[in-house]
Amino acid sequence: DAGVIQSPRHEVTEMGQEVTLRCKPISGHNSLFWYRQTMMRGLELLIYFNNNVPIDDSGMPEDRFSAKMPNASFSTLKIQPSEPRDSAVYFCASSPRWTGKETQYFGPGTRLLVL
Amino acid sequence: AQKITQTQPGMFVQEKEAVTLDCTYDTSDPSYGLFWYKQPSSGEMIFLIYQGSYDQQNATEGRYSLNFQKARKSANLVISASQLGDSAMYFCAMREGTSDYKLSFGAGTTVTVRA
Repeated sequence: DAGVIQSPRHEVTEMGQEVTLRCKPISGHNSLFWYRQTMMRGLELLIYFNNNVPIDDSGMPEDRFSAKMPNASFSTLKIQPSEPRDSAVYFCASSPRWTGKETQYFGPGTRLLVL
Repeated sequence: AQKITQTQPGMFVQEKEAVTLDCTYDTSDPSYGLFWYKQPSSGEMIFLIYQGSYDQQNATEGRYSLNFQKARKSANLVISASQLGDSAMYFCAMREGTSDYKLSFGAGTTVTVRA
């Protein structure tokens, strides 16, 4: 089975530009998570979807960040406008229906550099 | 307060030897789960092992075992017979409650295996 797929794997953009990160969760998983990893703050949960519905977006830094999940097999994280402090690795993770033990399976991440 | 504490920023271990990575956690919830992830230099997050708070036995997965000491609130990862491919960053994470989806991650420990 394919794991979580993210694209692009690397993104270099200039400040002010729009950035869209994409994620395809593992088939059959109904929970999807977006994380950001930086040296300073470690791994932070940005947003959590369950059955395509955003449940918790309290980790989204500010209005420049938005996330959507139009269907069970696709999600996007958008940054508009991007700023240099957004430079980080962004992970998408998915997990099956939650019964208490299930782990989250991470994608390979997107390394974002905003100049 | 930090929910997950990993006090060892970096460790060196000789090939074929065992290494123990420390993890302490803080929660007042009687039901919780503890996870270890590996992040090699390529960047992906790889799930290694899970321990539930009510599990009677310490978890084991191949060369990975979890030394779970509930009273001390510690969940140390033991890697036996270290291999060069074990060189990576290792993260301890916790989920609190039976329905909570959030994972709290520690700062990580870098392991370097020497030939």
